[in-house]
Amino acid sequence: QKEVEQDPGPLSVPEGAIVSLNCTYSNSAFQYFMWYRQYSRKGPELLMYTYSSGNKEDGRFTAQVDKSSKYISLFIRDSQPSDSATYLCAMCPYNQGGKLIFGQGTELSVKP
Amino acid sequence: NAGVMQNPRHLVRRRGQEARLRCSPMKGHSHVYWYRQLPEEGLKFMVYLQKENIIDESGMPKERFSAEFPKEGPSILRIQQVVRGDSAAYFCASSPGRETYNSPLHFGNGTRLTVT
Repeated sequence: QKEVEQDPGPLSVPEGAIVSLNCTYSNSAFQYFMWYRQYSRKGPELLMYTYSSGNKEDGRFTAQVDKSSKYISLFIRDSQPSDSATYLCAMCPYNQGGKLIFGQGTELSVKP
Repeated sequence: NAGVMQNPRHLVRRRGQEARLRCSPMKGHSHVYWYRQLPEEGLKFMVYLQKENIIDESGMPKERFSAEFPKEGPSILRIQQVVRGDSAAYFCASSPGRETYNSPLHFGNGTRLTVT
């Protein structure tokens, strides 16, 4: 069993839709949770970062962490064609610095 | 992610040759991490370095791979005697400190290695 599970998609939605991306994990030591966006042939770009259960909002993006269920989500409101990319969840324990464990990534396509 | 600079962007090597990938961290960052992204797989941690020190190399293959981050100059990931299975995108990331809470990673745009 992988430490982090993420549905690879692809996920296709119409412009303006609400998108929900999810990851589950098995290691209860994970304390920091991140979402990265990766455009084709580019490096991962940090979108959201949180270390506690609950919600964190930044513009059209909301990150949600439920440590009791070992489940994290990223919601994208009013999705745009420019949001078309691969979204990667990542996480690590408290004392592991930048040794992130990534999900496989979900490929998202937003159709105009 | 112009802050973390990687070169070359693309590298083609024949089997048995050596590959050298370079990474200059963001200004003010002294912690460097190398990750590998194989086709159809997620990013996998390889090695974590600070200036002149390897802190954690638990993700590095035992043979042919090495990394350094000298006092002056970029970090180098070196792959000797490359094989086709080494074909992948190699990403470098940097942070100003070790603790993730204050120092989320910022990635470069990667070097895509193709072994023919």
